[in-house]
Amino acid sequence: GENVEQHPSTLSVQEGDSAVIKCTYSDSASNYFPWYKQELGKRPQLIIDIRSNVGEKKDQRIAVTLNKTAKHFSLHITETQPEDSAVYFCAASTSGTYKYIFGTGTRLKVLA
Amino acid sequence: SAVISQKPSRDICQRGTSLTIQCQVDSQVTMMFWYRQQPGQSLTLIATANQGSEATYESGFVIDKFPISRPNLTFSTLTVSNMSPEDSSIYLCSVSTRTVRSTGELFFGEGSRLTVL
Repeated sequence: GENVEQHPSTLSVQEGDSAVIKCTYSDSASNYFPWYKQELGKRPQLIIDIRSNVGEKKDQRIAVTLNKTAKHFSLHITETQPEDSAVYFCAASTSGTYKYIFGTGTRLKVLA
Repeated sequence: SAVISQKPSRDICQRGTSLTIQCQVDSQVTMMFWYRQQPGQSLTLIATANQGSEATYESGFVIDKFPISRPNLTFSTLTVSNMSPEDSSIYLCSVSTRTVRSTGELFFGEGSRLTVL
């Protein structure tokens, strides 16, 4: 079955700096890759996603890149702000089962 | 979007008992899933709840321990049976409208925090 690895597990950056979180997946049939943000005590919320026929997608300060050949995708957050502090999860999904397998999570801390 | 109501939001249970968690969605959805999130950990898929048939379980999860029902497209239940302290966790219902033609976002309920004494 699908396995998603995520690095780093924790990340501290100064406010205004960029943060990058990387994920790799194992199932070449995966074709949809969402990123979720989970604040303390709250449910995960989708922040950005990318399909396998696209190499990059951007939404204001966040962007996601996908390298299908290498089976990895990354989340980029620019001009980080204290409210970006949270746990971020990547996920992979296939059009066969439609289930979502999550990475291990990255705890991002933005220092003011 | 989808609004998910999940209950109970939290409960404290005794070892050896069972608890059923309910998940109600405000619209018909194609896919419903149950996840477990242990403290400080990731989201682990327990099973896919199939409407009108047996759920599809992931490796490490079995029907006897986590029976799931999905009688229609808007409702599902997860039972945690014969609980032990290791079952203390947050259980999350999630739904997706994803199809072959559309991406479909995965939405989560607020979760049910179970503590087993």
